Amino acid sequence: NAGVTQTPKFQVLKTGQSMTLQCAQDMNHNSMYWYRQDPGMGLRLIYYSASEGTTDKGEVPNGYNVSRLNKREFSLRLESAAPSQTSVYFCASSDGEAQYFGPGTRLTVL
Amino acid sequence: QKEVEQNSGPLSVPEGAIASLNCTYSDRGSQSFFWYRQYSGKSPELIMFIYSNGDKEDGRFTAQLNKASQYVSLLIRDSQPSDSATYLCAVNPFRDSNYQLIWGAGTKLIIKP
Repeated sequence: NAGVTQTPKFQVLKTGQSMTLQCAQDMNHNSMYWYRQDPGMGLRLIYYSASEGTTDKGEVPNGYNVSRLNKREFSLRLESAAPSQTSVYFCASSDGEAQYFGPGTRLTVL
Repeated sequence: QKEVEQNSGPLSVPEGAIASLNCTYSDRGSQSFFWYRQYSGKSPELIMFIYSNGDKEDGRFTAQLNKASQYVSLLIRDSQPSDSATYLCAVNPFRDSNYQLIWGAGTKLIIKP
């Protein structure tokens, strides 16, 4: 069991570039989440998917889009990256109780 | 607005002592409470969670709930240098949905050898 996997681990973008962060889980969880974590600010929810076929905005959705491709995969897209999106991005999945996190993607936007 | 608050620390504890971490929450109807550990540069890792009906002990870790005062504690007995990390508290405030957690910003714990 790999748990939750994320790609890439690191990424540097220039302002205005686009990219997609990939996330997959092999725990057969229904719910999946995208968070960003900035120093001193804790985890902030970007988008979540309660089940396959549904997605909803979290606390900080502006500038992002998501796709729940199937039960296993949940991707996060930045259409036009901005320096304010420099952060560490975590994907998580849930069995309806606790959330389990992937290793994260460290994104820098120049 | 539902909130979870933690003292950012750092909390410094001598090796072998008991480390006590606290977290307060605003929604009195919260159902479940989670503690995660996050090492620097790593992702959050679940330590344990409890429901609103009781405390739990798992090895050196004990989670306790004080509903009247609306705080949850994590006690770490026989603290080890490897326990040095940031501890995140999260609360499930929703009565009819388990989809979201409300997160505290974390307490940095330092165990001194």
